[in-house]
Amino acid sequence: ETGVTQSPTHLIKTRGQQVTLRCSSQSGHNTVSWYQQALGQGPQFIFQYYREEENGRGNFPPRFSGLQFPNYSSELNVNALELDDSALYLCASSSWGYQETQYFGPGTRLLVL
Amino acid sequence: SQQGEEDPQALSIQEGENATMNCSYKTSINNLQWYRQNSGRGLVHLILIRSNEREKHSGRLRVTLDTSKKSSSLLITASRAADTASYFCATDNLADKLIFGTGTRLQVFP
Repeated sequence: ETGVTQSPTHLIKTRGQQVTLRCSSQSGHNTVSWYQQALGQGPQFIFQYYREEENGRGNFPPRFSGLQFPNYSSELNVNALELDDSALYLCASSSWGYQETQYFGPGTRLLVL
Repeated sequence: SQQGEEDPQALSIQEGENATMNCSYKTSINNLQWYRQNSGRGLVHLILIRSNEREKHSGRLRVTLDTSKKSSSLLITASRAADTASYFCATDNLADKLIFGTGTRLQVFP
């Protein structure tokens, strides 16, 4: 196993609500990336965190935000949920300078009703 | 948006047969990687090939890369039922921000 953990595993929210997803990186990794995977699609890059700062962002609106903590764990926050936010959210950890290979967690499946 | 596409979208074979899936991408890359995903769970890294490499092997996996055609192929030899999964290629043209393709769903029948 990769050692990357995510919580919760499943979540149901209603449109307009806010959600926080959590990720603990693999031991020794200091970089966390978040991806959104809609059903039947490949993962899409949301953003990456290194040293508690955002280091690159994909094509996602500002209501998607994140945090990284001193222990390198991370949160993904989504405000004003929309139906299209329903997806599998994946986090991946890596070591800065060696981000080529990322180790993925099992994901959080979010359903927005 | 997706960087590229995998072909075919779905593939069904019998155990023992070889499975070949292809990936095309749009822009220049530093490297290309293949990942496996079981039943909508997390992705598992399979193999990485750099832009200056043409072929790479890892166990039953063989990956080729043709940068002139912006394409790659993944060959799984002597497939097993446990190989049933979705396979994604991902390019690293934005310095560690992986851009994934649309995936190939592989079904291996016993």
